[in-house]
Amino acid sequence: NAGVMQNPRHLVRRRGQEARLRCSPVKGHSHVYWYRQLPEEGLKFMVYLQKENIIDESGMPKERFSAEFPKEGPSILRIQQVVRGDSAAYFCASSPGTAASGEQYFGPGTRLTVT
Amino acid sequence: AQSVAQPEDQVNVAEGNPLTVKCTYSVSGNPYLFWYVQYPNRGLQFLLKYITGDNLVKGSYGFEAEFNKSQTSFHLKKPSALVSDSALYFCAVRDWRDSNYQLIWGAGTKLIIKP
Repeated sequence: NAGVMQNPRHLVRRRGQEARLRCSPVKGHSHVYWYRQLPEEGLKFMVYLQKENIIDESGMPKERFSAEFPKEGPSILRIQQVVRGDSAAYFCASSPGTAASGEQYFGPGTRLTVT
Repeated sequence: AQSVAQPEDQVNVAEGNPLTVKCTYSVSGNPYLFWYVQYPNRGLQFLLKYITGDNLVKGSYGFEAEFNKSQTSFHLKKPSALVSDSALYFCAVRDWRDSNYQLIWGAGTKLIIKP
């Protein structure tokens, strides 16, 4: 079974460009979570989505950041007009939504570098 | 409010010695507890979880954790550390009544095993 897939693994953008990060959850999982991690730091929750719905976006900056999880296709985290402070590793996790424990499965991450 | 504390930013252990990585939590209901490990430049990998039952939980790579309800702790342990155990370890908790399936994460503890 394929785990969570994220692409690209590495992304370089100049300041002001847009970054699009993709996440394909484990097959059958309907819950997706996005996290950001700065070097040598912990995970910072950004957004939690179910199919076609944003459940909790309390960790996501109000401007320039958006996320979606359409009925078909991967979840997308979009960062518009990137700035150097957006450089980080972005991790996606998924869960089935039916398991009472809520265990999350993580992708390998996308490392965004803004130059 | 739900929270997780990992009181040590870093733990240093000599190879072959036992190791403990500490985690305490706060939830209003019964907790579901998790440990994840992150190797350099990788995503998080699930190690073990406590849902119910035996307070001592065994997981991957020889790790185990003990749930202590009175001390609200879920410390990660291993009887004999390996250099390859060096990584970043995250504790997470979820209130079993929370239908949102979100996990609350600790800040992480860097484990360094010296030969």
